[in-house]
Amino acid sequence: NAGVMQNPRHLVRRRGQEARLRCSPMKGHSHVYWYRQLPEEGLKFMVYLQKENIIDESGMPKERFSAEFPKEGPSILRIQQVVRGDSAAYFCASSPGTSGQGTGELFFGEGSRLTVL
Amino acid sequence: SQQGEEDPQALSIQEGENATMNCSYKTSINNLQWYRQNSGRGLVHLILIRSNEREKHSGRLRVTLDTSKKSSSLLITASRAADTASYFCALTFTSGTYKYIFGTGTRLKVLA
Repeated sequence: NAGVMQNPRHLVRRRGQEARLRCSPMKGHSHVYWYRQLPEEGLKFMVYLQKENIIDESGMPKERFSAEFPKEGPSILRIQQVVRGDSAAYFCASSPGTSGQGTGELFFGEGSRLTVL
Repeated sequence: SQQGEEDPQALSIQEGENATMNCSYKTSINNLQWYRQNSGRGLVHLILIRSNEREKHSGRLRVTLDTSKKSSSLLITASRAADTASYFCALTFTSGTYKYIFGTGTRLKVLA
């Protein structure tokens, strides 16, 4: 059973370009979470999604950032018109969501490291 | 606010010693979990303690939860060099959605 898969692992973009980060949750998992981490810092919550629904996007900037988790395919975190401050590691985590929301462990991917030149 | 604060921020100990790190929070929780992150890697779940539990053990890990003080501690006994990593608490709250909020982390270094 493959774990949470994130790609690309490393992405370099110039200011003003778009970045698309993909996350395939573990098989059977219907809940996906995106986090952002700066070097030597903690994980900052961005968005929580279920299939075809955004449950909580309170941590995501209102402009330039969007996330989706379609019925088929991976979850996508999209950053438009990137700026240098968007440089960070972006982690995706998934959970089954069947044992009661918020009561299970999260399974993390290895992260996507975005560098904005 | 829904946030976890950990202390110490960094901890350096000798192999064989015990390591204790703490997590404090401000609003009522459903449960509290501890995760480990090796440098440059994703997080790995260590242990979960529910709000109605006071202590849990898993191997060399011992977690306590004091809901009256809104704090938890993670004890790693007989530490090894391989325990060197960052440790984070993660909280889910009784109000709002079931998002997981992570603490600020403790960077543990175990010297051989």
